[in-house]
Amino acid sequence: GAVVSQHPSWVICKSGTSVKIECRSLDFQATTMFWYRQFPKQSLMLMATSNEGSKATYEQGVEKDKFLINHASLTLSTLTVTSAHPEDSSFYICSASGGRQGWYFGPGTRLTVL
Amino acid sequence: AQKVTQAQTEISVVEKEDVTLDCVYETRDTTYYLFWYKQPPSGELVFLIRRNSFDEQNEISGRYSWNFQKSTSSFNFTITASQVVDSAVYFCALSGYSGNTPLVFGKGTRLSVIA
Repeated sequence: GAVVSQHPSWVICKSGTSVKIECRSLDFQATTMFWYRQFPKQSLMLMATSNEGSKATYEQGVEKDKFLINHASLTLSTLTVTSAHPEDSSFYICSASGGRQGWYFGPGTRLTVL
Repeated sequence: AQKVTQAQTEISVVEKEDVTLDCVYETRDTTYYLFWYKQPPSGELVFLIRRNSFDEQNEISGRYSWNFQKSTSSFNFTITASQVVDSAVYFCALSGYSGNTPLVFGKGTRLSVIA
């Protein structure tokens, strides 16, 4: 099946710093990418949907100025958590869709903000 | 709006028992996809099945089987002869038919299989 990678797989940062997470579709062109957040013992919650070359669409309650999403190419989307705080500590998972090829999930990035 | 309900928060079974995980969904779409994923402690989602709304045939894959009933909006998942390695959180999910619609997840069911 298709492969989606995320980098880094885990990151620890200090409060107030920014962290960038990359999501790449390795063997197909992803016209749409999705970013999810998963807190411990909870489900995956959609944060935003991004289409290549367009601005991301954010879910209600997700601050677009805090979670910057860039989908500059058909194989790469980035999520930048700006001025991270401990409450942003979570498991971030991206999903890439290449149309009828289906949806493929990355392995996730565990963010810990101290 | 789409919604997925997994009423069972946690299930504990003894090895070799059969276990069924329930999933009920709501959607106004006439065409859609249903999914099941396994999430082991590592966190990485493991894809188990995707079923489109046109196909109500039950499916069996080894010890896994799925029962899709459109009349009751349910897509239940059964593990036969459970094993300790089946211990994980299982998520049911729903999406529109287009690839630019996201998956909506249920809250998940944590399955513990005890040796």
